[in-house]
Amino acid sequence: DAGVIQSPRHEVTEMGQEVTLRCKPISGHNSLFWYRQTMMRGLELLIYFNNNVPIDDSGMPEDRFSAKMPNASFSTLKIQPSEPRDSAVYFCASSGQGAMINSPLHFGNGTRLTVT
Amino acid sequence: GENVEQHPSTLSVQEGDSAVIKCTYSDSASNYFPWYKQELGKGPQLIIDIRSNVGEKKDQRIAVTLNKTAKHFSLHITETQPEDSAVYFCAASSSGNNRLAFGKGNQVVVIP
Repeated sequence: DAGVIQSPRHEVTEMGQEVTLRCKPISGHNSLFWYRQTMMRGLELLIYFNNNVPIDDSGMPEDRFSAKMPNASFSTLKIQPSEPRDSAVYFCASSGQGAMINSPLHFGNGTRLTVT
Repeated sequence: GENVEQHPSTLSVQEGDSAVIKCTYSDSASNYFPWYKQELGKGPQLIIDIRSNVGEKKDQRIAVTLNKTAKHFSLHITETQPEDSAVYFCAASSSGNNRLAFGKGNQVVVIP
């Protein structure tokens, strides 16, 4: 099992540019989560999907953020336009037992985003 | 929503001693309490979890205790080793949603 795979590992971009983060969940898992981690706010849930459908996007900070899951093996988180305050580590996680049953989350190793 | 707090924020222990991290939560409906370990440059990894129908769970050197009345749960690491040095996160959620609320994390440093 390769685990949750995220790319890129590091992204440095200038303010105003579009940023796309990618995630491949564990095969067979049907829930996918995007988290943001900062020193000040810790781990924040941005959005989660169940069976490729967005269930709760109340954590998405603003309209500049969008997420898609076109199929069971791929998801993207896009920031357009990016701002320096978006600098953080973004994690993708997946779980295998559905949205309504608490089950362990398996995290990827994250994408460290720096917006200058 | 659920609010999870962890104490202390940093904990240093001598190798071989025990480490205890405590978390409190606010939502009495929460019934699932996992603990995650995060090493530098990696994502959090689940190390143990407990559900509200039990008061304690143990896995080798790691144990978690839950007090639902007081709304707190603790992680116990015995016979600490240098590889236990990491940031530990507690979390809580209820069966009514799949939103895990995480604490801010504890930095544990095991001194050889």
